Amino acid sequence: EDQVTQSPEALRLQEGESSSLNCSYTVSGLRGLFWYRQDPGKGPEFLFTLYSAGEEKEKERLKATLTKKESFLHITAPKPEDSATYLCAVQAGGGNTPLVFGKGTRLSVIA
Amino acid sequence: NAGVTQTPKFRVLKTGQSMTLLCAQDMNHEYMYWYRQDPGMGLRLIHYSVGEGTTAKGEVPDGYNVSRLKKQNFLLGLESAAPSQTSVYFCASSFPGQGRFGYTFGSGTRLTVV
Repeated sequence: EDQVTQSPEALRLQEGESSSLNCSYTVSGLRGLFWYRQDPGKGPEFLFTLYSAGEEKEKERLKATLTKKESFLHITAPKPEDSATYLCAVQAGGGNTPLVFGKGTRLSVIA
Repeated sequence: NAGVTQTPKFRVLKTGQSMTLLCAQDMNHEYMYWYRQDPGMGLRLIHYSVGEGTTAKGEVPDGYNVSRLKKQNFLLGLESAAPSQTSVYFCASSFPGQGRFGYTFGSGTRLTVV
């Protein structure tokens, strides 16, 4: 069974204090690993897709990396507007296989 | 360009009542999905569709039915609502492969069953 575990469950940072969120996965035949951002009362918003170990993607203060067992979402010098829940998801198997999501990390950035 | 639209946004049902949640997308996406999100449980897949007229079960399909009669619409039905179905329901859509663009989600339907 495909599993996705995110840690920590919640993270509180001061503005400018860089940190990383972790997503570890157990799947057979990873096709892609996805990161989403979810604001309260809204649907998840797509951030990145990573396909193979060693790959990196960046967007503003966010950088996602991938190894064979886990992915990290690095947040550099965060601002209060980066506060949200960050979700990790994996796709395994065939091209029609839906995403399996982790439970998310709730990030709070304090000014 | 509205993206993915879910109706209604909020609903309160009594145990045993039925209802249909509507999802509409205007991006010509082939695939559509229904997830539920509960505190501490994350997003769990209920049913999905890889094309008009096709549906498949996800991780938690019991108590729900779906239909995809038109490419742009995906309906989720609750025939006899139970308090365990109190949740936030999200619809999503994607192109086949979904890698480059991921899923596009709607804003959710908050359902309370009393």
